[in-house]
Amino acid sequence: GAGVSQSPSNKVTEKGKDVELRCDPISGHTALYWYRQSLGQGLEFLIYFQGNSAPDKSGLPSDRFSAERTGGSVSTLTIQRTQQEDSAVYLCASSLGSPGVEAFFGQGTRLTVV
Amino acid sequence: RKEVEQDPGPFNVPEGATVAFNCTYSNSASQSFFWYRQDCRKEPKLLMSVYSSGNEDGRFTAQLNRASQYISLLIRDSKLSDSATYLCVVNGGNYQLIWGAGTKLIIKP
Repeated sequence: GAGVSQSPSNKVTEKGKDVELRCDPISGHTALYWYRQSLGQGLEFLIYFQGNSAPDKSGLPSDRFSAERTGGSVSTLTIQRTQQEDSAVYLCASSLGSPGVEAFFGQGTRLTVV
Repeated sequence: RKEVEQDPGPFNVPEGATVAFNCTYSNSASQSFFWYRQDCRKEPKLLMSVYSSGNEDGRFTAQLNRASQYISLLIRDSKLSDSATYLCVVNGGNYQLIWGAGTKLIIKP
Protein backbone atom coordinates (compact mmCIF):
# COMPACT_ATOMS: atom_id res chain seq x y z
CA GLY A 1 0.00 0.00 0.00
CA ALA A 2 0.93 3.63 -0.25
CA GLY A 3 1.18 4.21 3.46
CA VAL A 4 1.28 2.49 6.83
CA SER A 5 -2.02 0.80 7.47
CA GLN A 6 -3.35 -0.08 10.91
CA SER A 7 -6.39 -2.09 11.83
CA PRO A 8 -8.80 -1.85 13.39
CA SER A 9 -9.04 1.92 13.54
CA ASN A 10 -11.15 1.68 16.68
CA LYS A 11 -11.54 -1.13 19.16
CA VAL A 12 -13.72 -1.30 22.24
CA THR A 13 -13.12 -4.30 24.44
CA GLU A 14 -14.14 -5.50 27.86
CA LYS A 15 -11.64 -5.57 30.67
CA GLY A 16 -9.89 -8.91 30.82
CA LYS A 17 -10.23 -9.71 27.12
CA ASP A 18 -7.30 -10.12 24.75
CA VAL A 19 -6.87 -7.83 21.74
CA GLU A 20 -4.73 -7.93 18.62
CA LEU A 21 -3.71 -4.82 16.77
CA ARG A 22 -2.29 -5.05 13.29
CA CYS A 23 0.20 -2.92 11.39
CA ASP A 24 0.98 -3.16 7.67
CA PRO A 25 4.13 -1.14 7.06
CA ILE A 26 5.12 0.50 3.79
CA SER A 27 6.45 -2.13 1.42
CA GLY A 28 10.21 -2.53 1.74
CA HIS A 29 10.47 -0.84 5.11
CA THR A 30 12.63 -2.96 7.38
CA ALA A 31 12.19 -0.92 10.55
CA LEU A 32 8.88 -0.95 12.39
CA TYR A 33 7.92 0.79 15.64
CA TRP A 34 4.98 0.55 18.00
CA TYR A 35 4.03 3.43 20.26
CA ARG A 36 1.08 4.27 22.40
CA GLN A 37 -0.27 7.67 23.22
CA SER A 38 -2.79 8.61 25.85
CA LEU A 39 -4.90 11.72 25.35
CA GLY A 40 -2.79 14.84 25.70
CA GLN A 41 0.38 12.86 26.38
CA GLY A 42 3.54 12.24 24.40
CA LEU A 43 4.50 9.14 22.46
CA GLU A 44 5.36 6.16 24.64
CA PHE A 45 7.77 3.80 22.89
CA LEU A 46 6.80 0.13 23.05
CA ILE A 47 8.94 -1.92 20.68
CA TYR A 48 11.24 -1.64 17.66
CA PHE A 49 11.65 -4.25 14.94
CA GLN A 50 14.47 -4.47 12.43
CA GLY A 51 13.27 -7.12 10.03
CA ASN A 52 11.68 -9.87 12.09
CA SER A 53 13.81 -9.35 15.16
CA ALA A 54 13.16 -6.92 17.98
CA PRO A 55 16.45 -5.41 19.16
CA ASP A 56 14.58 -3.12 21.52
CA LYS A 57 11.48 -4.23 23.36
CA SER A 58 12.29 -2.24 26.46
CA GLY A 59 9.12 -0.19 26.22
CA LEU A 60 6.62 -3.01 26.64
CA PRO A 61 4.93 -2.07 29.93
CA SER A 62 4.20 -5.57 31.19
CA ASP A 63 4.26 -9.22 30.19
CA ARG A 64 0.66 -8.80 29.04
CA PHE A 65 2.06 -7.02 26.00
CA SER A 66 3.76 -8.87 23.17
CA ALA A 67 4.47 -8.19 19.53
CA GLU A 68 5.65 -10.16 16.58
CA ARG A 69 6.57 -9.50 13.02
CA THR A 70 6.55 -12.10 10.31
CA GLY A 71 8.11 -12.05 6.88
CA GLY A 72 9.68 -8.71 7.66
CA SER A 73 6.33 -7.10 6.99
CA VAL A 74 3.10 -7.25 9.00
CA SER A 75 3.32 -6.82 12.75
CA THR A 76 0.81 -7.71 15.42
CA LEU A 77 0.69 -6.20 18.89
CA THR A 78 -1.18 -8.37 21.36
CA ILE A 79 -2.47 -7.23 24.72
CA GLN A 80 -3.67 -9.99 27.01
CA ARG A 81 -6.14 -9.53 29.85
CA THR A 82 -6.69 -5.89 28.98
CA GLN A 83 -6.95 -3.32 31.74
CA GLN A 84 -8.58 0.10 31.66
CA GLU A 85 -5.17 1.77 31.79
CA ASP A 86 -4.39 0.14 28.42
CA SER A 87 -6.86 2.52 26.79
CA ALA A 88 -4.89 4.71 24.39
CA VAL A 89 -4.12 5.24 20.73
CA TYR A 90 -1.62 2.67 19.48
CA LEU A 91 0.53 4.02 16.66
CA CYS A 92 2.72 2.10 14.29
CA ALA A 93 5.50 3.62 12.19
CA SER A 94 7.86 2.20 9.60
CA SER A 95 11.01 3.34 7.89
CA LEU A 96 13.68 2.04 5.57
CA GLY A 97 15.91 1.62 8.60
CA SER A 98 18.78 3.45 6.96
CA PRO A 99 20.57 6.58 8.19
CA GLY A 100 18.90 9.82 7.28
CA VAL A 101 15.58 8.28 6.40
CA GLU A 102 12.42 9.32 8.17
CA ALA A 103 9.62 7.19 9.57
CA PHE A 104 6.00 7.24 8.48
CA PHE A 105 3.09 6.68 10.82
CA GLY A 106 -0.19 4.90 10.44
CA GLN A 107 -3.35 6.58 11.67
CA GLY A 108 -3.42 4.47 14.79
CA THR A 109 -5.81 2.17 16.58
CA ARG A 110 -7.89 3.78 19.29
CA LEU A 111 -8.31 1.17 22.01
CA THR A 112 -10.93 1.63 24.69
CA VAL A 113 -11.15 -0.87 27.52
CA VAL A 114 -14.47 -0.74 29.36
CA ARG B 1 19.21 11.24 31.34
CA LYS B 2 16.73 10.56 28.54
CA GLU B 3 18.20 9.95 25.10
CA VAL B 4 16.17 12.78 23.59
CA GLU B 5 14.82 15.60 25.71
CA GLN B 6 12.44 18.42 24.91
CA ASP B 7 10.77 21.13 26.94
CA PRO B 8 7.13 19.98 27.00
CA GLY B 9 5.83 23.57 27.05
CA PRO B 10 3.27 24.76 26.29
CA PHE B 11 4.78 27.72 24.54
CA ASN B 12 2.08 30.39 24.25
CA VAL B 13 3.05 32.76 21.46
CA PRO B 14 1.16 35.63 19.80
CA GLU B 15 0.45 35.33 16.12
CA GLY B 16 3.23 36.82 14.01
CA ALA B 17 5.93 36.29 16.61
CA THR B 18 9.05 34.21 16.23
CA VAL B 19 9.43 31.14 18.41
CA ALA B 20 12.29 28.70 18.85
CA PHE B 21 12.73 25.52 20.78
CA ASN B 22 15.54 23.09 21.26
CA CYS B 23 15.95 19.39 21.64
CA THR B 24 18.98 17.77 23.28
CA TYR B 25 20.24 14.27 22.54
CA SER B 26 22.68 12.08 24.40
CA ASN B 27 24.18 9.84 21.70
CA SER B 28 27.14 11.66 20.16
CA ALA B 29 27.18 9.11 17.31
CA SER B 30 23.71 10.09 16.10
CA GLN B 31 23.59 10.90 12.40
CA SER B 32 19.93 11.46 11.58
CA PHE B 33 17.78 14.26 12.93
CA PHE B 34 14.21 15.23 12.21
CA TRP B 35 11.41 17.47 13.37
CA TYR B 36 7.89 16.11 13.24
CA ARG B 37 4.61 17.87 13.82
CA GLN B 38 1.63 16.27 15.52
CA ASP B 39 -1.80 17.84 15.46
CA CYS B 40 -4.35 16.99 18.10
CA ARG B 41 -5.71 13.44 17.65
CA LYS B 42 -3.59 12.91 14.52
CA GLU B 43 -0.49 10.89 13.82
CA PRO B 44 2.90 12.66 13.70
CA LYS B 45 4.07 13.81 10.28
CA LEU B 46 7.50 14.83 9.08
CA LEU B 47 8.05 18.58 9.18
CA MET B 48 11.67 18.65 8.11
CA SER B 49 14.93 16.80 8.25
CA VAL B 50 17.83 18.53 9.97
CA TYR B 51 21.11 18.70 8.10
CA SER B 52 24.49 19.47 9.58
CA SER B 53 24.68 22.72 7.63
CA GLY B 54 21.26 23.81 8.83
CA ASN B 55 18.26 24.09 6.56
CA GLU B 56 15.33 26.34 5.94
CA ASP B 57 11.88 25.69 4.56
CA GLY B 58 9.82 28.83 4.27
CA ARG B 59 9.19 30.16 7.76
CA PHE B 60 10.89 27.18 9.39
CA THR B 61 14.60 26.87 10.09
CA ALA B 62 16.26 23.84 11.63
CA GLN B 63 19.79 23.76 12.94
CA LEU B 64 22.10 21.15 14.38
CA ASN B 65 24.76 21.83 16.99
CA ARG B 66 26.89 18.70 17.25
CA ALA B 67 29.29 20.14 19.83
CA SER B 68 26.48 20.78 22.30
CA GLN B 69 24.33 17.91 21.02
CA TYR B 70 21.12 19.74 20.32
CA ILE B 71 18.90 20.59 17.39
CA SER B 72 16.68 23.61 17.15
CA LEU B 73 13.55 24.66 15.32
CA LEU B 74 12.79 28.30 14.61
CA ILE B 75 9.39 29.42 13.35
CA ARG B 76 9.10 32.95 12.01
CA ASP B 77 5.90 34.95 11.51
CA SER B 78 3.93 32.29 13.37
CA LYS B 79 0.42 31.44 12.19
CA LEU B 80 -2.54 30.10 14.13
CA SER B 81 -2.17 26.93 12.07
CA ASP B 82 1.29 26.36 13.53
CA SER B 83 -0.33 25.34 16.82
CA ALA B 84 0.68 21.73 17.31
CA THR B 85 3.12 19.54 19.18
CA TYR B 86 6.60 19.44 17.69
CA LEU B 87 8.54 16.21 18.10
CA CYS B 88 12.29 15.86 17.84
CA VAL B 89 13.67 12.59 16.45
CA VAL B 90 17.25 11.35 16.57
CA ASN B 91 18.69 8.01 15.56
CA GLY B 92 20.24 5.75 18.16
CA GLY B 93 21.97 2.40 17.82
CA ASN B 94 20.77 -0.12 15.19
CA TYR B 95 19.47 2.91 13.20
CA GLN B 96 16.59 3.04 15.67
CA LEU B 97 14.78 6.36 15.73
CA ILE B 98 14.40 7.82 19.22
CA TRP B 99 11.56 10.26 19.80
CA GLY B 100 11.33 13.16 22.19
CA ALA B 101 8.11 13.64 24.12
CA GLY B 102 7.30 16.79 22.14
CA THR B 103 6.94 20.52 22.70
CA LYS B 104 3.44 21.92 22.62
CA LEU B 105 3.06 25.21 20.78
CA ILE B 106 -0.04 27.38 21.03
CA ILE B 107 -0.32 30.40 18.74
CA LYS B 108 -2.76 32.98 20.04
CA PRO B 109 -4.55 35.57 17.89
